[in-house]
Amino acid sequence: GDSVTQMEGPVTLSEEAFLTINCTYTATGYPSLFWYVQYPGEGLQLLLKATKADDKGSNKGFEATYRKETTSFHLEKGSVQVSDSAVYFCALGVQAAGNKLTFGGGTRVLVKP
Amino acid sequence: DADVTQTPRNRITKTGKRIMLECSQTKGHDRMYWYRQDPGLGLQLIYYSFDVKDINKGEISDGYSVSRQAQAKFSLSLESAIPNQTALYFCATSDGGRYNEQFFGPGTRLTVL
Repeated sequence: GDSVTQMEGPVTLSEEAFLTINCTYTATGYPSLFWYVQYPGEGLQLLLKATKADDKGSNKGFEATYRKETTSFHLEKGSVQVSDSAVYFCALGVQAAGNKLTFGGGTRVLVKP
Repeated sequence: DADVTQTPRNRITKTGKRIMLECSQTKGHDRMYWYRQDPGLGLQLIYYSFDVKDINKGEISDGYSVSRQAQAKFSLSLESAIPNQTALYFCATSDGGRYNEQFFGPGTRLTVL
């Protein structure tokens, strides 16, 4: 079946540091890939997405590239801020499966001033 | 006003009690979902509905039931709550477009004593 594996947290960084969160997936079909972010006390929000190989999703300074050859979708940001402290979820959706989303376990990121 | 609302936001109950969690949306979406979130496990799909007459079990439906009262309303029930159902519960909606972006409510924190 479909699955998503992402690095366990927490990840603790200083402000302006570089952030990488690794995400790899297995899928029976040809998935779309997503990163969702959950700020404290809130629901999940879509951060970015990529729908085919070599696509790069980007938003709010975050980027992730759909790498079919390595089945990966790593999230990066060049200079994090305290406001980026949140839990980040990698997810995939396969159209043939009704596009239900399969989520990774989430990675908590804490950015210190 | 929020597009996806959940009530209650917090609930403490006792083992054996019947509990209903409610979700309403103003996005006009046909698809609605219920997930539970446990630390380190990401989100797991409990039930989903693609329209008012279509209800489907997700990965972890045992011990839960749902009702789709209208396009805008999707309720989750625990017929006889047990402690391992203590979790954060999220409702989500989607328009079923090609990439199935999902929009999440703020969550209900349920504690079963």
